[in-house]
Amino acid sequence: QSALTQPASVSGSPGQSITISCTGTSRDVGGYNYVSWYQQHPGKAPKLLIYEVSLRPSGVSNRFSGSKSGNTASLAISGLQAEDEADYYCCSYTSSSTLGVFGGGTKLTVL
Amino acid sequence: QVTLKESGPVLVKPTETLTLTCTVSGFSLSNTKMGVSWIRQPPGKALEWLAHIFSNDEQSYTTSLKNRLTISKDTSKSQVVLTMTNMDPVDTATYYCARTTGVLQFDPWGQGTLVTVSS
Repeated sequence: QSALTQPASVSGSPGQSITISCTGTSRDVGGYNYVSWYQQHPGKAPKLLIYEVSLRPSGVSNRFSGSKSGNTASLAISGLQAEDEADYYCCSYTSSSTLGVFGGGTKLTVL
Repeated sequence: QVTLKESGPVLVKPTETLTLTCTVSGFSLSNTKMGVSWIRQPPGKALEWLAHIFSNDEQSYTTSLKNRLTISKDTSKSQVVLTMTNMDPVDTATYYCARTTGVLQFDPWGQGTLVTVSS
């Protein structure tokens, strides 16, 4: 069982917007502004989408945005495209003795 | 261009020790702002962060596997090595290395290497 809870799946139609949640505790998501998000297409390595809750690396589409409220971080994707169909993982710094912890992943289906 | 590439055995037997090498290019392992992490993913399952090595050689390990893991680096060879002892079939996974900048900014990742543990 992952330390961070994500919905197993979400779906949306092309052009729509969706949000993926990532729920932790005050020892991780809620306690630090160190949440990152990754996109993984089947058979491929993950790709960094968001870091430090809401910052986008250069080259990442502005259709992807991140936010946090309390112990829950969120990834929003606007203007859904077929190419967005992938698995998405959150990752948070934690005050536990590990450095970082991932969520269980969310499969996004573009209908 | 920053790249990372994992190498190591495809198949290991239970109880054996796994040694994986991550060869990096496009950045130096002595850069104070950068480190390298190892992350694994069992087939069909979620990512699991395993270990990290900082530019100053400081290491960090996930608690559940701390007693089995060792991470080290050879800056002159641009390589980071992960060893995991006492391998078990549940350790079957794709093992990735990733450059780490800031806090938990894994970017980019290597292509990954699938390691199967079976007798």
